[in-house]
Amino acid sequence: DTEVTQTPKHLVMGMTNKKSLKCEQHMGHRAMYWYKQKAKKPPELMFVYSYEKLSINESVPSRFSPECPNSSLLNLHLHALQPEDSALYLCASSQDTPRGSGANVLTFGAGSRLTVL
Amino acid sequence: KQEVTQIPAALSVPEGENLVLNCSFTDSAIYNLQWFRQDPGKGLTSLLLIQSSQREQTSGRLNASLDKSSGRSTLYIAASQPGDSATYLCAVNFGNEKLTFGTGTRLTIIP
Repeated sequence: DTEVTQTPKHLVMGMTNKKSLKCEQHMGHRAMYWYKQKAKKPPELMFVYSYEKLSINESVPSRFSPECPNSSLLNLHLHALQPEDSALYLCASSQDTPRGSGANVLTFGAGSRLTVL
Repeated sequence: KQEVTQIPAALSVPEGENLVLNCSFTDSAIYNLQWFRQDPGKGLTSLLLIQSSQREQTSGRLNASLDKSSGRSTLYIAASQPGDSATYLCAVNFGNEKLTFGTGTRLTIIP
């Protein structure tokens, strides 16, 4: 299995809702990432998990809460989002962190398209 | 500040032509550089990874080069096809546990 699977593909939520995005990989990768991408912009890093521990939080608002229950799963819990949070949320994984071996190819999922009303 | 720039933002080329996409970065102390393609509304597909010790990498019709001293990388696509139409992103690992993405080049191959 060489894929990163993200669910749901599309999510519409109100500003008072609580929802979660899920990401799964079975490649034995030890680093997992959440990126946010707005239309016609490059992906922006949100969080990095290394060996199931949060190693980077790019000053993301607390209404986004990541969770890594095990080495194969990565969740992004969403609460009290704003319309400007509407974007494509991309999950990625790599064998090790980018600094770990210098030989890390990031594998991305297809993304979850989030719309906040 | 570590930045990655891709110029031009958009490029249209007739089918069959060879083309070069450019990527510039501000800090020559990089770990590696990765080229991705992204189709509209989709995730990113990794094309090539170049280590800091390498000068180029090849995969099929794609060839990526790296010149750290000048802070540049190029992605060469030979014999372009309509299926090559996509946005191409370069991303640099500056050794701080994350990738810094360029702004992308939107490529259109004209049949």
